[in-house]
Order: sequence, then structure tokens, then C-alpha cells
Amino acid sequence: EVQLVQSGAEVKKPGESLKISCKGSGYSFTSYWIGWVRQMPGKGLEWMGIIYPGDSDTRYSPSFQGQVTISADKSISTAYLQWSSLKASDTAMYYCARLAAQIAFDIWGQGTMVTVSS
Amino acid sequence: EIVLTQSPATLSLSPGERATLSCRASQSVSSYLAWYQQKPGQAPRLLIYDASNRATGIPARFSGSGSGTDFTLTISSLEPEDFAVYYCQQRSNWLLFTFGPGTKVDIK
Repeated sequence: EVQLVQSGAEVKKPGESLKISCKGSGYSFTSYWIGWVRQMPGKGLEWMGIIYPGDSDTRYSPSFQGQVTISADKSISTAYLQWSSLKASDTAMYYCARLAAQIAFDIWGQGTMVTVSS
Repeated sequence: EIVLTQSPATLSLSPGERATLSCRASQSVSSYLAWYQQKPGQAPRLLIYDASNRATGIPARFSGSGSGTDFTLTISSLEPEDFAVYYCQQRSNWLLFTFGPGTKVDIK
């Protein structure tokens, strides 16, 4: 079965760092781009960025460039999204998703809820 | 950055009725347009890719059309499980993506 499994929910304080993960299985992880999508509480979907695990080519939305870092470790079929200094406004559900046919995200992780509160 | 606009924001319909959702791009995206369904507490599900191709396992009552800047998602006869939020998404030439703000289809 093709799936993406994300790491569990996180509760952090403002200023703390965080790295969440997304592990792929059931397909060739290095052959598909993996994207990250933010969904703030009660709001819509926002595309953050995308990485090609085969060579770590990465693209960012202008809205998220410099705010987060996307990386991947192809040896363990895992992509990451990280923050160096969290803000309360980073509170959201974060999804990873596999890009198919270079157009659409066909497989989604279950989401990782990140809560940032003092 | 290409901006997507969806209309209406909310569509109130009864089961069995036809739903027509619109997505407009601020500039041409060719056919690089996808549609997703999201239910509360769930991850989005891909319905349509490349403007008009149904994803694997998606019922035939879902169809997509359009190219360039104007796109439509049609649900021919609403089933109870179709009441959800629908998002369009585009891909630019530089492998940058944006989502529309969504259309909520709720029960009248």
C-alpha cells in the first residue's frame, strides 16, 4: 500500500525549534516530489514547498521562503519540515503529500498538528 | 504568484441535485489544475487532475472541465457523502503551487 505516515502532534513554546517528519512506503520514494501544506484552524490549504528526495531539489512558496526548511533523507524514505524559531501563528495542521504527474498531490499523510503556545 | 479564486464560497444544495463549482486563475495555468475534497478532520483527497482526469477510485459523478483561466468541477447528483469543502490547486511552470480558498458544499 502506498502511504505517507507523519510524526505525531507537537506542543511547543514560542521561540523553540521543531522538525516534523513524513515517511513514505509502498513506492519508490526517490522518484516523486513531496510537498508540504499548511492548514490553520478553520482555514484553507496553503502550499508551503516541495522537495525531490532523489536529489533534494527544493522549491518554496514565496510566503514561506526563509520561514521553514524542507529536507529529505532518502536512505530512510523520509521528508522533513522544520522551524528554527516557532511563533504562535505557526499553530496549524501540516500535511505532506506526494506529487503525481507533476500536477497534483495524490497521496496525503494523516497530518501533524503543531500547537505553539506560551 | 498565480492567484486562484473560487465561487461560490458556499453552495447549499439537496442530495440528488447537481453542483457546479468554479475556479478562476489570475493568469493561464494551461490544464495544470486539480480539485480536492476535504471533510472535517480528514486530509484532502484528490478528485481531478490535469483539469479533467478523474483520480483513481473517484466516482463518475465527479467531472472537471476548463483550461487556461476558467475551470469547473461538476458533481452530477450529490450523494450524502459529497457534502464537504472543495479546493482547486494549480501548478506553475516553475513547479510552484497555489490552492484556491475553497467552496463549501452544505446540505440545504
